[in-house]
Amino acid sequence: EAQVTQNPRYLITVTGKKLTVTCSQNMNHEYMSWYRQDPGLGLRQIYYSMNVEVTDKGDVPEGYKVSRKEKRNFPLILESPSPNQTSLYFCASSFVGQPYEQYFGPGTRLTVT
Amino acid sequence: RKEVEQDPGPFNVPEGATVAFNCTYSNSASQSFFWYRQDCRKEPKLLMSVYSSGNEDGRFTAQLNRASQYISLLIRDSKLSDSATYLCAVNKRNSGYALNFGKGTSLLVTP
Repeated sequence: EAQVTQNPRYLITVTGKKLTVTCSQNMNHEYMSWYRQDPGLGLRQIYYSMNVEVTDKGDVPEGYKVSRKEKRNFPLILESPSPNQTSLYFCASSFVGQPYEQYFGPGTRLTVT
Repeated sequence: RKEVEQDPGPFNVPEGATVAFNCTYSNSASQSFFWYRQDCRKEPKLLMSVYSSGNEDGRFTAQLNRASQYISLLIRDSKLSDSATYLCAVNKRNSGYALNFGKGTSLLVTP
């Protein structure tokens, strides 16, 4: 089954404790992206990657890191999480080329206390 | 002006009604437009792409108005199961593959 998976789905952590949210897709998509979704603010892009070893900042990259060592994986790293990073996070992927519909993972609900 | 704007609603409509949402975008050079559906706390799922000539998929019709820079989604014969948030998405300025999403329009279809 074609899908984007994320782990963990739910995470409660404390300020400053490094964490990684994994994202994996099995559709051979070149493009992958991370979003956060907050009430009243909608979906905002954190980072994206056009292909292996190619990453770039989105609209709200501060406090986040990513890497793209393999085509299928695009982990999101929070080196020192803070309470303002409490949010619902989505990973998405797509082919590169028109009309490049993006497919989303199920989401990770992160709470930083 | 925000890149992508939607009326947040909520739109409360009775079953069987026709409802339409608009979404305005600021980048006149945008080439790709989409409507996504998002159920509460779930991931957005592609509902339909929006083509220049307009397109229809069953009860759903999407249209693009380049002159006025908006896209629309029309839902005919609304079902209870259509209750969701509808997000429009437009490709970002200077970043062909990244999408800007609207904040979504909430639809509640009532019996």
